[in-house]
Amino acid sequence: QVQLVESGGGVVQPGRSLRLSCVASGYRSSLYAMHWVRQAPGKGLEWVAIISEDGSDKYYIDSVKGRFIISRDNSKNTLYLQLNSLRVEDTAMYYCTKDGGGAFRPFDYWGQGTLVTVSS
Amino acid sequence: SSELTQDPAASVALGQTVRITCQGDSLRSYFATWYQQKPGQAPVLVMYGKNNRPSWSPDRFSGSNSGNTASLTITGAQAEDEADYYCNSRDSSGNHYVFGAGTKVTVL
Repeated sequence: QVQLVESGGGVVQPGRSLRLSCVASGYRSSLYAMHWVRQAPGKGLEWVAIISEDGSDKYYIDSVKGRFIISRDNSKNTLYLQLNSLRVEDTAMYYCTKDGGGAFRPFDYWGQGTLVTVSS
Repeated sequence: SSELTQDPAASVALGQTVRITCQGDSLRSYFATWYQQKPGQAPVLVMYGKNNRPSWSPDRFSGSNSGNTASLTITGAQAEDEADYYCNSRDSSGNHYVFGAGTKVTVL
């Protein structure tokens, strides 16, 4: 069965960096795009970034462009999100999600999330 | 505009029907996808495309689309359907995605 397991979250001071990881299993991860979605405490879902199947295409929400970097290592079935120049407003649960592909591109599987807290 | 608009809350009596909607310009070009999120849990896909359910989504969930509006209907709502429901789609660029603010469904 498909599983996505995130790690790397924690408490970090503003301006510092953190790297999140998401290990995929139960399917051929190299065949599907992947996304990061975040959710601030008590708030709604916010799409953060997408990376294509081979890692050649990447897109970001404007609020993280130039600060966050999405990447993947298909040999390790692992998705990454490098969070740089962190701000208090980046505090959120970060979920990795699998893109279902096809015509409709649903986010069909989600990890359990990893919590990032940015605080001085 | 890349925004998706959802009503903040909806309620339904046990066993009755509730429809929640999602509006946005991007829905004229892209179908909405619907996710259910219960407290303390990750979101779960419940509906996508024209009216497609993943294997784990009960058949009491159905979807429809018209113009700039997508709808998720729960027919015969159960207590376990009480949750937040989010719609999302690609935005007008086609390369970014956007979520609605979510609708909290209460089953009375």
